[in-house]
Amino acid sequence: EIVMTQSPASLSVPPGERATLSCRASQSVSSNLGWYQQKPGQAPRLLIYGASTRATGIPARFSGSGSGTDFTLTISSLQSEDFAVYYCQQYNTWPWTFGQGTKVEIK
Amino acid sequence: EVQLVESGGGLVQPGGSLRLSCAASGFPFSNYWMSWVRQAPGKGLEWVANIQQDGSENYYVDSVKGRFTISRDNAKNSLYLQMNSLRAEDTAVYYCARRASGRGIIDYWGQGTLVTVSS
Repeated sequence: EIVMTQSPASLSVPPGERATLSCRASQSVSSNLGWYQQKPGQAPRLLIYGASTRATGIPARFSGSGSGTDFTLTISSLQSEDFAVYYCQQYNTWPWTFGQGTKVEIK
Repeated sequence: EVQLVESGGGLVQPGGSLRLSCAASGFPFSNYWMSWVRQAPGKGLEWVANIQQDGSENYYVDSVKGRFTISRDNAKNSLYLQMNSLRAEDTAVYYCARRASGRGIIDYWGQGTLVTVSS
């Protein structure tokens, strides 16, 4: 099973600032990586797939990069609605696996 | 509008069984792989099972193999998860989810149904 490790576990950022979240795979997943956002009491929402392609309706302030084992999600200017938990997920090898999440909090 | 509505969750004793259902609408259900993903309270996400469009192919995470069965009824636009020999560690919110075409990611999620395994 491919283990996905996200860092940091939590991140405090002032509104309007940039947030950079990392995700590392225990072996190469090529570009078969997605990012999700989850707010309390809600289901996750797909943000990014293919490591860097924004899903439908996702604002341009969200961007993804990386390939192989190292990936980054960048939120260029944090808005109030962006404070949430973010998960990466690989879909290169079954079982598809998620990272443990990064919580982005208001500073 | 795509909608996925789960039902069937609840409290069950260890060793018991439960069947989850998911009613899908707003898209051609028979054209999509479907999945169940779960989230233990306060924890991360775990992909539980996938089923192909016609039900002929499915995949399970090791922790549920031999105990859980995913199935679907395309005539009823419905997805199911039969859960047997339940354990305390199966306690979670179970999400019905649509796999995006051609990719192993979820593009639509239900609101989830809580399964609690406890005596």
